[in-house]
Amino acid sequence: KAGVTQTPRYLIKTRGQQVTLSCSPISGHRSVSWYQQTPGQGLQFLFEYFSETQRNKGNFPGRFSGRQFSNSRSEMNVSTLELGDSALYLCASSSTGVETQYFGPGTRLLVL
Amino acid sequence: KNEVEQSPQNLTAQEGEFITINCSYSVGISALHWLQQHPGGGIVSLFMLSSGKKKHGRLIATINIQEKHSSLHITASHPRDSAVYICAVGKGAQKLVFGQGTRLTINP
Repeated sequence: KAGVTQTPRYLIKTRGQQVTLSCSPISGHRSVSWYQQTPGQGLQFLFEYFSETQRNKGNFPGRFSGRQFSNSRSEMNVSTLELGDSALYLCASSSTGVETQYFGPGTRLLVL
Repeated sequence: KNEVEQSPQNLTAQEGEFITINCSYSVGISALHWLQQHPGGGIVSLFMLSSGKKKHGRLIATINIQEKHSSLHITASHPRDSAVYICAVGKGAQKLVFGQGTRLTINP
């Protein structure tokens, strides 16, 4: 089976812009979680989607949003980018959300 | 105080040594995860534990639910084990809370 894929792998944006990141889970997996990793805060949970519904949400401002499509592919969007949004964004998938997660390679976002 | 604390933060050892990384948590959980992150960012899930002990090759993970503590052991360490090891806790694999990570360097 193909692993979790994320696109794009690298992205440079400027403050105030918005960005959309994409995650394709392993075939058959219905749970997709998103995480942000920064040197200062480490890894933090953003949100989890299961069968097109947001099931869990972390403590991030409303500028961070996501969605999941019927084929389980997920996107996350960050609007009005700030310098502090520069981070590695990781997604992970699992069958139902209670088993081991499989991580994608991440999207490295730099906000200038 | 963080909900998940790892120790040590950095660990350097010689090839062949027995390695122990510790994780303590303060919240109720249903599962604890050990993750490995290599330079470049890719994360691999090593173990998901809810009780007892699990072994995979040279890696062993244990958890004591009453003491809210877990350990990751590496036997016969090798330079390719050099990575950041991250402990995470949650409800299954949902809404994980992460430790700050332990940077392990194994010298040949």
